[in-house]
Amino acid sequence: GAVVSQHPSRVICKSGTSVKIECRSLDFQATTMFWYRQFPKQSLMLMATSNEGSKATYEQGVEKDKFLINHASLTLSTLTVTSAHPEDSSFYICSAPTEGETQYFGPGTRLLVL
Amino acid sequence: GQSLEQPSEVTAVEGAIVQINCTYQTSGFYGLSWYQQHDGGAPTFLSYNALDGLEETGRFSSFLSRSDSYGYLLLQELQMKDSASYFCALIKAAGNKLTFGGGTRVLVKP
Repeated sequence: GAVVSQHPSRVICKSGTSVKIECRSLDFQATTMFWYRQFPKQSLMLMATSNEGSKATYEQGVEKDKFLINHASLTLSTLTVTSAHPEDSSFYICSAPTEGETQYFGPGTRLLVL
Repeated sequence: GQSLEQPSEVTAVEGAIVQINCTYQTSGFYGLSWYQQHDGGAPTFLSYNALDGLEETGRFSSFLSRSDSYGYLLLQELQMKDSASYFCALIKAAGNKLTFGGGTRVLVKP
């Protein structure tokens, strides 16, 4: 089946630094990828839709200048959390749709901001 | 907007059957999906309903009734490995973004 990878799987950083998370579709092309955030014991909340070759579409309440998204190729989308703060600590997950209704999720990146 | 409601937690014993209900409010949608997520892991696709009725996939089945704005996931012959969170999710169109319910944590006991 389709595989989506994320890197890094876990990152710890100091407050004020920026962190880049990569999401790759390994055996298929993805013109669209989605970025979600999940706090402990909560559901997945969509942050933004990453579009290859064009600007990302952000959900209401998500700061586009803080969460920079770049979809530079048909297999790679990156999410950069700029000037990270402790409240940004969360589990970040990307997904890519394939044929029909199925979406494949990456393994997630656990971010801890100290 | 869209909203989906699920029970927060269900506990059952091995071999039992569990039904996780999902009620939703939306102006229109393409289908209802179900995902499983183990602690610390990524969601994995379980089942999908575009049309009313029952879809059976091994031990897991999913049901949709558009007229009742309701769906459910049925877990049969529960195993310990089924302990996880289960999410229903609405999809507006093929390849489009998912809106997730709050999730149901299923705990399977020996």
